[in-house]
Amino acid sequence: EDKVVQSPLSLVVHEGDTVTLNCSYEVTNFRSLLWYKQEKKAPTFLFMLTSSGIEKKSGRLSSILDKKELFSILNITATQTGDSAVYLCAVWEYGNKLVFGAGTILRVKS
Amino acid sequence: GAVVSQHPSWVICKSGTSVKIECRSLDFQATTMFWYRQFPKQSLMLMATSNEGSKATYEQGVEKDKFLINHASLTLSTLTVTSAHPEDSSFYICSARRSSGASTDTQYFGPGTRLTVL
Repeated sequence: EDKVVQSPLSLVVHEGDTVTLNCSYEVTNFRSLLWYKQEKKAPTFLFMLTSSGIEKKSGRLSSILDKKELFSILNITATQTGDSAVYLCAVWEYGNKLVFGAGTILRVKS
Repeated sequence: GAVVSQHPSWVICKSGTSVKIECRSLDFQATTMFWYRQFPKQSLMLMATSNEGSKATYEQGVEKDKFLINHASLTLSTLTVTSAHPEDSSFYICSARRSSGASTDTQYFGPGTRLTVL
């Protein structure tokens, strides 16, 4: 059965800390891996990773994929309270289906 | 941009009534749209995949007669929860895949619809 496992399930840090969120996966027909940020409403897209070893970066957020070891990490540096959210990892299989992990709840304290 | 809208954003209905939720891709064409539901503190669960002009593909355990999906155009899909019951109360989210055919296509999510069945 296809699955996506995220860790940790929740995390509390102080402003300015750096955090690393993990996502491992086992899917049959891997196409790409996506990271989303979900606050009170629907998820907003952060990154899509298709190739191994190529870091994607957007401001203080960055992510990288390891297709050999079947995992990805999402890094957030110099965290701010506005980074508090649920971070979802999803794997996109050929055939259109997105398989989501359970998410990591991040809380950044001021 | 890639904007997906949903309407309504929240709805409260009586048990036994039907509720229709609309999902629109505002600035792109989407041959494929997806419907998810999310219970509190849980992740998104795919309910069905909706392809324009054809029948939706439902995930295992999702009743197709209860959750009617129509994808009549390249920018609109609707989900109708028929004879809603309190256990159907949930957050329903649609997403749309931009159909450019590129390997970089991704799914963009609507803002979600909070359904409460009394």
